[in-house]
Amino acid sequence: ETGVTQSPTHLIKTRGQQVTLRCSSQSGHNTVSWYQQALGQGPQFIFQYYREEENGRGNFPPRFSGLQFPNYSSELNVNALELDDSALYLCASSQGQGVTYEQYFGPGTRLTVT
Amino acid sequence: EDKVVQSPLSLVVHEGDTVTLNCSYEVTNFRSLLWYKQEKKAPTFLFMLTSSGIEKKSGRLSSILDKKELFSILNITATQTGDSAVYLCAVEYNYGQNFVFGPGTRLSVLP
Repeated sequence: ETGVTQSPTHLIKTRGQQVTLRCSSQSGHNTVSWYQQALGQGPQFIFQYYREEENGRGNFPPRFSGLQFPNYSSELNVNALELDDSALYLCASSQGQGVTYEQYFGPGTRLTVT
Repeated sequence: EDKVVQSPLSLVVHEGDTVTLNCSYEVTNFRSLLWYKQEKKAPTFLFMLTSSGIEKKSGRLSSILDKKELFSILNITATQTGDSAVYLCAVEYNYGQNFVFGPGTRLSVLP
């Protein structure tokens, strides 16, 4: 197991609600990336945070937003939830800006939107 | 549009067989190609490739990149049931600011 933790493990929300997912990075890592993985598909890159600044973003609408804190843990916020937001949300931590090859994934948060 | 394509999408083999998984990509400002193994939830890192023609090996797994033809292969020899998983190919591009995964190849190894 990696040192990356995510909470909660599972979550059920209703369409239109807002959700916050949390990720604690591995010790010594200052970069956190978030991914959305729908059933049967590869993960889709949402965005990456390096030292509390957004450092790259995939093709996701602005209702997907994030934060990184001074201890390098991170939050993913999704507003106005839609049914298609149901997925496994993975975070990964790494050391260094853009150095994604060293990233270690957390176990994920399974979000179900009804 | 930046994309990664993997083939086959699904593969069933018997223990002891050798398999080759394919990954092709089309991105701007390529930086690296990575292979991951995903069994239940968190993908685990296998290889990172940045240079053409240099084979990376780890036990029964090996991988190589062709930057001219824009593809990579992942070979697994003498497969075991524990190799059953989804194998994901991903490409880092735009100077490390973007990352795209392929759909994965689901490998099932039967005893």
